[in-house]
Amino acid sequence: RKEVEQDPGPFNVPEGATVAFNCTYSNSASQSFFWYRQDCRKEPKLLMSVYSSGNEDGRFTAQLNRASQYISLLIRDSKLSDSATYLCVVTFDAGNMLTFGGGTRLMVKP
Amino acid sequence: DVKVTQSSRYLVKRTGEKVFLECVQDMDHENMFWYRQDPGLGLRLIYFSYDVKMKEKGDIPEGYSVSREKKERFSLILESASTNQTSMYLCASKTLQRARRGTQYFGPGTRLTVL
Repeated sequence: RKEVEQDPGPFNVPEGATVAFNCTYSNSASQSFFWYRQDCRKEPKLLMSVYSSGNEDGRFTAQLNRASQYISLLIRDSKLSDSATYLCVVTFDAGNMLTFGGGTRLMVKP
Repeated sequence: DVKVTQSSRYLVKRTGEKVFLECVQDMDHENMFWYRQDPGLGLRLIYFSYDVKMKEKGDIPEGYSVSREKKERFSLILESASTNQTSMYLCASKTLQRARRGTQYFGPGTRLTVL
């Protein structure tokens, strides 16, 4: 079983739609959680951190459920430019090592 | 802005050749990493380094070695390239500062093809 699991997708949604991704992690001792974004043929970049209380950045909302060991990313009012692969990231130690999920591909259509 | 550069964007090598992939970061980061990324398998950690001359095996170190002689430079070496090492190779660096522990900066990647 992978330590961090994501539905690979693709999620095909129309512009303006709301879309949500989930990610599950297996290690209950996991400490920190993040979402990264990777555009086609580009390197991954940090999108946002995920806090226990949840956090919001514009159209993006990230939430953590420690009891069920999953994190989520909600994108409202999808834009064409949101098309990318979204990587779930978990740290199990003091934060030196990041464990990446396989990514969920999102395609926003006109 | 942090900048992580990799020596080549595209590389084509023959089976058995020795291959060097170079990575340089300009932010004095302590940690550096080498990953490979393959469709359906995601990012897999090959090796990482906490400091100069220090290295640790990641999840898939077989067939690879690394070198970190200077803090800003982390090299990945394929001693004898094989076709199953055809992949996208991504270098990354990261500070030990607690406030930024989730931020890992990646280079643009090297797409290596082994014929």
